[in-house]
Amino acid sequence: AQSVSQHNHHVILSEAASLELGCNYSYGGTVNLFWYVQYPGQHLQLLLKYFSGDPLVKGIKGFEAEFIKSKFSFNLRKPSVQWSDTAEYFCAVKSGNTGKLIFGQGTTLQVKP
Amino acid sequence: GAVVSQHPSWVICKSGTSVKIECRSLDFQATTMFWYRQFPKQSLMLMATSNEGSKATYEQGVEKDKFLINHASLTLSTLTVTSAHPEDSSFYICSGSPYRGPDTQYFGPGTRLTVL
Repeated sequence: AQSVSQHNHHVILSEAASLELGCNYSYGGTVNLFWYVQYPGQHLQLLLKYFSGDPLVKGIKGFEAEFIKSKFSFNLRKPSVQWSDTAEYFCAVKSGNTGKLIFGQGTTLQVKP
Repeated sequence: GAVVSQHPSWVICKSGTSVKIECRSLDFQATTMFWYRQFPKQSLMLMATSNEGSKATYEQGVEKDKFLINHASLTLSTLTVTSAHPEDSSFYICSGSPYRGPDTQYFGPGTRLTVL
């Protein structure tokens, strides 16, 4: 069965620190990869996605992620976080043509001002 | 663009009653809608996938007779929790996928259900 694993459950950073959130998936075929963010009290929003092409994907708000096929990873990065980045971050994988997303457990990011 | 709304945003009901949750795509046609359940501090678990005009496809372990899904139009899907019990208390989230962009899902704000 497909699964998505996010290594960090709770991350606390100070403003301007660099961020990297790990995401690994288990599926041998072609996958589409996503990072979603859920700000407090708000709905899930798409940060970025990878379908094909350049494995380094740039998203909104300065986030980027790198798809490393050999490692089955899609880690999320941001060089300098802001207090407003405090949120829950979810990695998700879609495979095949069903459109179904498999979500990771989520990572709570807390940025201290 | 690509806004999905849910109603109600929260609901409290007595055990044994049924609750209906609506999911609407406000500015696009959602050929496919998905229903998720999110437990506190946990991830989203897909419950079912519904295509407009067709029966929903339920994930393994989800009781289709308990969680009735109707996708009668391209902008509306409903989830009815029948004979609700306290263990059904959860956060229910829907998402819609546009016809021209099946790889992108737009999520609603969620509905908090508490069964007493």
